[in-house]
Amino acid sequence: DAKTTQPTSMDCAEGRAANLPCNHSTISGNEYVYWYRQIHSQGPQYIIHGLKNNETNEMASLIITEDRKSSTLILPHATLRDTAVYYCIVRGGSNFGNEKLTFGTGTRLTIIP
Amino acid sequence: DVKVTQSSRYLVKRTGEKVFLECVQDMDHENMFWYRQDPGLGLRLIYFSYDVKMKEKGDIPEGYSVSREKKERFSLILESASTNQTSMYLCASSSQGARGSYEQYFGPGTRLTVT
Repeated sequence: DAKTTQPTSMDCAEGRAANLPCNHSTISGNEYVYWYRQIHSQGPQYIIHGLKNNETNEMASLIITEDRKSSTLILPHATLRDTAVYYCIVRGGSNFGNEKLTFGTGTRLTIIP
Repeated sequence: DVKVTQSSRYLVKRTGEKVFLECVQDMDHENMFWYRQDPGLGLRLIYFSYDVKMKEKGDIPEGYSVSREKKERFSLILESASTNQTSMYLCASSSQGARGSYEQYFGPGTRLTVT
């Protein structure tokens, strides 16, 4: 699976949009971009994933550049409960025998009141 | 909603004890996973299973074994606990769904301390 690079930490004001970048310049054609987050003392939580089109769900939006070498997770109206470590993961959409997710160190997002 | 539960949130064991960590999921998922999480090292995969009685080693299987006798339950066993196995243990499950949609659902974690 391709390696990802994320900033170590970010702050965002409550009510503003939080934009979390991720670089994955070695991504290959069949690899998906996944985002998870981990709130303190809890297990990671799936947020969203995409291949090449932008995606949106009730939690967030995912913008993937045309060359797919980077992406941005957008939390449109950040709340204090969005304070967490956010992980960007790239993995292939292959068969069940390759299910491993490789979590890096992620971005620690702090929402400021 | 998918629910993954783990038998304990906190556990303290002595060196040399046999330790069982239990994980149960209620969504009929085929795949189940055990990770450990340590500061600065992220999540590391210990074992996973894609079917009953099937198991595959992850990145750090040494000192651990697993059991999957029923689809909903995946157990992690520390045969002889050691202090370097003090960690947060996370269980996850996922379905063998459409291509690319293998999101994993995690339990709350078990913080194990071995003294």
